[in-house]
Amino acid sequence: GENVEQHPSTLSVQEGDSAVIKCTYSDSASNYFPWYKQELGKGPQLIIDIRSNVGEKKDQRIAVTLNKTAKHFSLHITETQPEDSAVYFCAASKGTDKLIFGTGTRLQVFP
Amino acid sequence: EAGVAQSPRYKIIEKRQSVAFWCNPISGHATLYWYQQILGQGPKLLIQFQNNGVVDDSQLPKDRFSAERLKGVDSTLKIQPAKLEDSAVYLCASSRTTVNTEAFFGQGTRLTVV
Repeated sequence: GENVEQHPSTLSVQEGDSAVIKCTYSDSASNYFPWYKQELGKGPQLIIDIRSNVGEKKDQRIAVTLNKTAKHFSLHITETQPEDSAVYFCAASKGTDKLIFGTGTRLQVFP
Repeated sequence: EAGVAQSPRYKIIEKRQSVAFWCNPISGHATLYWYQQILGQGPKLLIQFQNNGVVDDSQLPKDRFSAERLKGVDSTLKIQPAKLEDSAVYLCASSRTTVNTEAFFGQGTRLTVV
């Protein structure tokens, strides 16, 4: 079955700097890769997703890149702000199969 | 639109007791999921419904966990009897379809088994 690995587990950056979180997946047939942000005491919320027919997608300060050959995808947050502090999860799925989540990255943005 | 509603928010029970969680998905969403999130880990799917039929329950411990989705809307997840290792946040999510689409999560129920 699919396995998703996520790194780093914790990430601390200064406000205004960039943050990058990386994930690798094992099933080459996976074709949907969402990223979720989870704030304390809340459920995960989708922030961006990418499908396998696209190599990169951007939404304001957030971007995701996908390398199908290497089976990895990354989340890039530019100009980080304190409100970006949260736990971020990557996930992967194919077709109607369930989403397999990574183990999460705790991002802390210091003012 | 209203989000996914879950109750209760918190529950503390003793081992071997039973507990039930309730979820009301976003109106019109055909697919409903129950996830278990152990502290420090990503969510793990327990069961997925498409309308009121089960699509995937491969990781549901069926000897103690059960779930139903009556009339394809609300859902309940039950644990009986609970074990210490069941302590986790139970998240309900819903989506319009099952195929590569955004899943909207509720706030979850934090279960502590003592």
